[in-house]
Amino acid sequence: KAGVTQTPRYLIKTRGQQVTLSCSPISGHRSVSWYQQTPGQGLQFLFEYFSETQRNKGNFPGRFSGRQFSNSRSEMNVSTLELGDSALYLCASSLNPPGTGYNEQFFGPGTRLTVL
Amino acid sequence: TQLLEQSPQFLSIQEGENLTVYCNSSSVFSSLQWYRQEPGEGPVLLVTVVTGGEVKKLKRLTFQFGDARKDSSLHITAAQPGDTGLYLCAGAAFNKFYFGSGTKLNVKP
Repeated sequence: KAGVTQTPRYLIKTRGQQVTLSCSPISGHRSVSWYQQTPGQGLQFLFEYFSETQRNKGNFPGRFSGRQFSNSRSEMNVSTLELGDSALYLCASSLNPPGTGYNEQFFGPGTRLTVL
Repeated sequence: TQLLEQSPQFLSIQEGENLTVYCNSSSVFSSLQWYRQEPGEGPVLLVTVVTGGEVKKLKRLTFQFGDARKDSSLHITAAQPGDTGLYLCAGAAFNKFYFGSGTKLNVKP
């Protein structure tokens, strides 16, 4: 079974631009979560989707948004990029959403975003 | 405050030494996961513990889930430079996934 895939792996943008990152979960997994990871802040939760619905959202500004498609693939968008948005963005998929039965997350390799 | 408290934050040891990483919470988790992450890559799932008191072994790594399912530990025997990385514990509670802040392990040859 193929793992979680994320595209692109690396991205360089300038302040003010917007960016869209893509995540394809493991086949059969319907829950997708997004995280931002920086050296100073560690792993920060962005949002979680299940069956095309956003179930949970972290404490990030409205510039960060996401969506999930009917095939469970997910995208996240960051508008009006700031220097502080430079980070590794990780996507994780699980069979079930948290709180429903046995669940564990599997991560993709991440997208390294650099904002200049 | 984080729901999962991980300690220590940093650990620098010599090859061949043993070490233990702890993951504690005041909340009950239905299961806990341990991940290892290398720089610039996504965390890789090492193990999931489900039953209170459960002990799982993965070669030189031993994972334990507390009887009350509120804490877990990871013990590495005879650490090797290849064990170097960031170790994260995680679990689901209150319909959300939570992560510990991580333990950065450096094993010197």
